[in-house]
Amino acid sequence: GDSVTQMEGPVTLSEEAFLTINCTYTATGYPSLFWYVQYPGEGLQLLLKATKADDKGSNKGFEATYRKETTSFHLEKGSVQVSDSAVYFCALSDLGSARQLTFGSGTQLTVLP
Amino acid sequence: GAGVSQSPSNKVTEKGKDVELRCDPISGHTALYWYRQSLGQGLEFLIYFQGNSAPDKSGLPSDRFSAERTGGSVSTLTIQRTQQEDSAVYLCASSSPGTGGTNQPQHFGDGTRLSIL
Repeated sequence: GDSVTQMEGPVTLSEEAFLTINCTYTATGYPSLFWYVQYPGEGLQLLLKATKADDKGSNKGFEATYRKETTSFHLEKGSVQVSDSAVYFCALSDLGSARQLTFGSGTQLTVLP
Repeated sequence: GAGVSQSPSNKVTEKGKDVELRCDPISGHTALYWYRQSLGQGLEFLIYFQGNSAPDKSGLPSDRFSAERTGGSVSTLTIQRTQQEDSAVYLCASSSPGTGGTNQPQHFGDGTRLSIL
């Protein structure tokens, strides 16, 4: 079945550091890929998405590129801020799976001033 | 409202009681999903509705769990004879119809935190 493997946390960085959170996936079809973010005390919010190979999703300075050859969708940001502290979830939606989301385990990011 | 609305936000109940959780999706969203977020299990899919029908109930963990959706809008998730392992945050999401085979992103509510004593 479908699965998402996500870099384990927690990750602690200093402000303005470079961020990478690794995500790889296994899917039977041609999935769409997503990053969701959960800020402290809040619900899940869509951060970015990519629907086909080589697409790059971007939002709020975060980027991720859909790499079919390596089945990866790594999240990157060039300069993190304290306000980026949150839990980040990689997810996929496979058309063959009624479009439910399959999530990774989540990565806790803490950015220190 | 503008977003997915879930109620109650918190629910504490005794083991063995029945609970009912409500989800009000974004207006016009035909697809509705229930997920469970618990320590050690991460985010798990429970059930998916397209309109009022549920083509995928594969994630429901036992026959104590059921869900319905009426009028293509509000959905309720019911847990009968609750057990301590049912303690979790129950999340609802909705999405608008996709075109060309693409998946429209799901928008999540803030969840219901369920605690079974």
